[in-house]
Amino acid sequence: DGGITQSPKYLFRKEGQNVTLSCEQNLNHDAMYWYRQDPGQGLRLIYYSQIVNDFQKGDIAEGYSVSREKKESFPLTVTSAQKNPTAFYLCASSMSRGQGYEQYFGPGTRLTVT
Amino acid sequence: AQSVTQLDSQVPVFEEAPVELRCNYSSSVSVYLFWYVQYPNQGLQLLLKYLSGSTLVKGINGFEAEFNKSQTSFHLRKPSVHISDTAEYFCAVSDQTGANNLFFGTGTRLTVIP
Repeated sequence: DGGITQSPKYLFRKEGQNVTLSCEQNLNHDAMYWYRQDPGQGLRLIYYSQIVNDFQKGDIAEGYSVSREKKESFPLTVTSAQKNPTAFYLCASSMSRGQGYEQYFGPGTRLTVT
Repeated sequence: AQSVTQLDSQVPVFEEAPVELRCNYSSSVSVYLFWYVQYPNQGLQLLLKYLSGSTLVKGINGFEAEFNKSQTSFHLRKPSVHISDTAEYFCAVSDQTGANNLFFGTGTRLTVIP
């Protein structure tokens, strides 16, 4: 079955530690995205990537980093510089960054930092 | 820039009753419009989208939405809800300038009461 996988589903870290969230897709999509979801705030774009080895900052990129070394993978690192990292993180992909393409979402990773 | 307003954060409705979830958007350019549904601790699933053509769009699970350009609205409707429709619903827009970034509303929590 084609789709997007995110692992792990739940992640716990101590404050000051970097943590990397995995996102893999087998849909052969060119574009991939990372969103952060907080209660009552909807989804906010962290980073996006149109093609391999290229990515751009979204609205809330500070304290995060990404890489896109393979078409199917787009890992997100939450660094210690992110002041409020506890949130639900969603990865998505779409066929292209062209117009109107649907974004497909993974099941999400819930990160808790204490 | 685009923005999306979902006026109702919570909507309780009795089973088999009709429901309307409201969405208004703001944009200086033409947009594409989407409704996504999110079940607890899961990713988002596309319900329907408006790209062009008929302003009445039918989606999955019996949902439909109507695009009203003059009122900049894209309200979601279902004539008879089921318990299984209990979820969070997000309205989103993307512009038609070639980018595919989605701007999300803050969501509406639909609770279907038996």
